[in-house]
Amino acid sequence: DGGITQSPKYLFRKEGQNVTLSCEQNLNHDAMYWYRQDPGQGLRLIYYSQIVNDFQKGDIAEGYSVSREKKESFPLTVTSAQKNPTAFYLCASSHLGFYGGPEQFFGPGTRLTVL
Amino acid sequence: ELKVEQNPLFLSMQEGKNYTIYCNYSTTSDRLYWYRQDPGKSLESLFVLLSNGAVKQEGRLMASLDTKARLSTLHITAAVHDLSATYFCAVDMTYNNDMRFGAGTRLTVKP
Repeated sequence: DGGITQSPKYLFRKEGQNVTLSCEQNLNHDAMYWYRQDPGQGLRLIYYSQIVNDFQKGDIAEGYSVSREKKESFPLTVTSAQKNPTAFYLCASSHLGFYGGPEQFFGPGTRLTVL
Repeated sequence: ELKVEQNPLFLSMQEGKNYTIYCNYSTTSDRLYWYRQDPGKSLESLFVLLSNGAVKQEGRLMASLDTKARLSTLHITAAVHDLSATYFCAVDMTYNNDMRFGAGTRLTVKP
């Protein structure tokens, strides 16, 4: 089955720790995205990548880092510099380009809680 | 900067009633998306609108796009409890893969 997987589903972090959230897709999409959602809020873009080994900052990139070594994978690291990381994190992927529109497909999400 | 505004943010409806959710955006775009999110879950794609005048319908939901007015609507017909969820619109800064989401409309359908 084609789709996007995220792991873990729930993650607990102690103050000062870095943690990495996994996102994998087998849809052969070029573009991948990370969003943060706070309770009762919309989605805010953290980082996105349109091609392997390249990525761009979104609106709230501070305290986060990403890598894109493989087309299928786009892991997000929440660093200790992110002061308020408790949130629901959603990964998405899409095709690129003009035709058909880059509709984004979302993974199931990771809920991160800082203890 | 692209801004996307939805209204209302909260909507409580009786079953069987009709209502419309509005999505306004601030810059030129001809690609707009509607998503549904159930509590604690991910986003599910509902509609993809790719041109001025586009209209799509699925069951009791109908979405339309007016790019000249920079407005999309999501119309709910004869609401049922199963439609209770949060609905998001999202606008693509044309050809840039840089999508912006509205704050969401939390819909509750009461019997």
